[in-house]
Amino acid sequence: GAVVSQHPSWVICKSGTSVKIECRSLDFQATTMFWYRQFPKQSLMLMATSNEGSKATYEQGVEKDKFLINHASLTLSTLTVTSAHPEDSSFYICSASRLAHSTDTQYFGPGTRLTVL
Amino acid sequence: TQLLEQSPQFLSIQEGENLTVYCNSSSVFSSLQWYRQEPGEGPVLLVTVVTGGEVKKLKRLTFQFGDARKDSSLHITAAQPGDTGLYLCAGRFTQYNFNKFYFGSGTKLNVKP
Repeated sequence: GAVVSQHPSWVICKSGTSVKIECRSLDFQATTMFWYRQFPKQSLMLMATSNEGSKATYEQGVEKDKFLINHASLTLSTLTVTSAHPEDSSFYICSASRLAHSTDTQYFGPGTRLTVL
Repeated sequence: TQLLEQSPQFLSIQEGENLTVYCNSSSVFSSLQWYRQEPGEGPVLLVTVVTGGEVKKLKRLTFQFGDARKDSSLHITAAQPGDTGLYLCAGRFTQYNFNKFYFGSGTKLNVKP
């Protein structure tokens, strides 16, 4: 399968600071990248869909000004959590996909554990 | 109402037992994926099914896709402690946003030695 990296793997920050998470597809060009949030022992919750060169599409209830997404190239998307608060602490996972065909799937990064103090 | 219903939510079994996890929808999938996730890591793709009636095998894991492409199952034979993890099904639908994957609620499997 395709390889997707995420950086950092974990981050601890103070309340009020901003944190940037990078997602890279290492061996294929991803036309679409997805950002998910996962709470302990739960499934993945889609936050937004990011297409290269265009604005991200956010899911209902996700604040776009809070979670800034940039998809500058076919191999890189970033998620910036602005003015982070303790309730933003979570496991954030990105995935990358080509979505050119109905059989195209998504490949996940290893996730980023964010802890806001 | 969830687009995908996954069951059971939790499963705790002894090593050597068999188990089946189900993923159902009232809508037709264009494709369906099964993932396995370990704590603190991202989900790892196990299989993608596309064709109605399709059966795929991955060692002790057997994946079936319903003839009508509305349901799928994951069967594990002779489960091992290494099979422990969160199993997720995800699907794409032609009827809904095609460029989006919808996830089931997950099945937390614990295989006791």
